[in-house]
Amino acid sequence: RKEVEQDPGPFNVPEGATVAFNCTYSNSASQSFFWYRQDCRKEPKLLMSVYSSGNEDGRFTAQLNRASQYISLLIRDSKLSDSATYLCAVNPTGANNLFFGTGTRLTVIP
Amino acid sequence: DGGITQSPKYLFRKEGQNVTLSCEQNLNHDAMYWYRQDPGQGLRLIYYSQIVNDFQKGDIAEGYSVSREKKESFPLTVTSAQKNPTAFYLCASSETSGGRNEQFFGPGTRLTVL
Repeated sequence: RKEVEQDPGPFNVPEGATVAFNCTYSNSASQSFFWYRQDCRKEPKLLMSVYSSGNEDGRFTAQLNRASQYISLLIRDSKLSDSATYLCAVNPTGANNLFFGTGTRLTVIP
Repeated sequence: DGGITQSPKYLFRKEGQNVTLSCEQNLNHDAMYWYRQDPGQGLRLIYYSQIVNDFQKGDIAEGYSVSREKKESFPLTVTSAQKNPTAFYLCASSETSGGRNEQFFGPGTRLTVL
């Protein structure tokens, strides 16, 4: 089983829609979680960190469900500029590095 | 400006040649990492270093080598032993204290083997 799994999508949503992605992780002892945004042919950029139950930043909300071992990213009022690939990353306790999912591709349609 | 730089942006190599990718950071981070990304795949860890003069193999270290002689620098050498080196290479850095380990990435190097 992979450390981190994501639905690759693509998710095609109209402007203004709300969209949510899930990311499951296998190590129940994991303590820190991250969402990155990656534009085509660019580096990943940190979007949100999740150290407890969740985090909110404007239109973006990340939530952690420890019982079911997944994190979610909710984007409200989608903008065309939100079109990108969203990567989740997990830091299992004691590990010195992050495990990344393969990413979920989002396209926001006018 | 604080950040991570990688050079070159694009690199072309003939089979059988070794090439070295540069990564420099001025964020005063202790830890540095090298990943490769292939189309449709996630980031896979090649090597990482938590402190100067020390580094550890990641999941796909075969055919690669690194050094960490300075805190700011973590160059990656892709050797001729790497069978499929064409990929997007990403360098990252992070703090190691305070329980926060967000990684920040450089702009990447695209390596193509001709």
